[in-house]
Amino acid sequence: DQQVKQNSPSLSVQEGRISILNCDYTNSMFDYFLWYKKYPAEGPTFLISISSIKDKNEDGRFTVFLNKSAKHLSLHIVPSQPGDSAVYFCAATFSGSARQLTFGSGTQLTVLP
Amino acid sequence: DSGVTQTPKHLITATGQRVTLRCSPRSGDLSVYWYQQSLDQGLQFLIQYYNGEERAKGNILERFSAQQFPDLHSELNLSSLELGDSALYFCASSVGDRYQPQHFGDGTRLSIL
Repeated sequence: DQQVKQNSPSLSVQEGRISILNCDYTNSMFDYFLWYKKYPAEGPTFLISISSIKDKNEDGRFTVFLNKSAKHLSLHIVPSQPGDSAVYFCAATFSGSARQLTFGSGTQLTVLP
Repeated sequence: DSGVTQTPKHLITATGQRVTLRCSPRSGDLSVYWYQQSLDQGLQFLIQYYNGEERAKGNILERFSAQQFPDLHSELNLSSLELGDSALYFCASSVGDRYQPQHFGDGTRLSIL
């Protein structure tokens, strides 16, 4: 049972445009959500997070939106840069889980110059 | 550089053998998490330690065990290895177990021949 789903395995975007990566979850107990970026041969790198008491969190070019009623979150990258090309993982956790992360399957983002 | 150090980077061994993977968390982090990334299962939580004590178990096989030492480094022991254990094993650490992101090492790639 996939509790965190990233339905788009890949996304291509032109440099300078907006990249929107989506994530859906099924477990209503999740209360903290994170996005990670992963390059080949490296570990996941933390990008941005949001707790369930918020609906938006911004950090530079990265903004995460949370829609609790739809159990949906998205990551916006504006403007997209070629160096953003990587696999992006959505992850979720809840306080009763000792904060173990449940990951989505990832979306490969390619930013075209 | 996340500050989380994993050794070795690569391990090649045979079925039936036993290996130990090592993780040094970021300075000040008390929680250590182990994850397995295989081609068909994605990133899956294995086990968590907090300040030397086991906190949570995920999809960890009985052939696998872990511990966290007084200096907070952790080891993941894999025994009676099978071909299906070939995967990337990641360690992550965080300050505690509340609304704090986990930071990942670059992983150990285990290949079973």
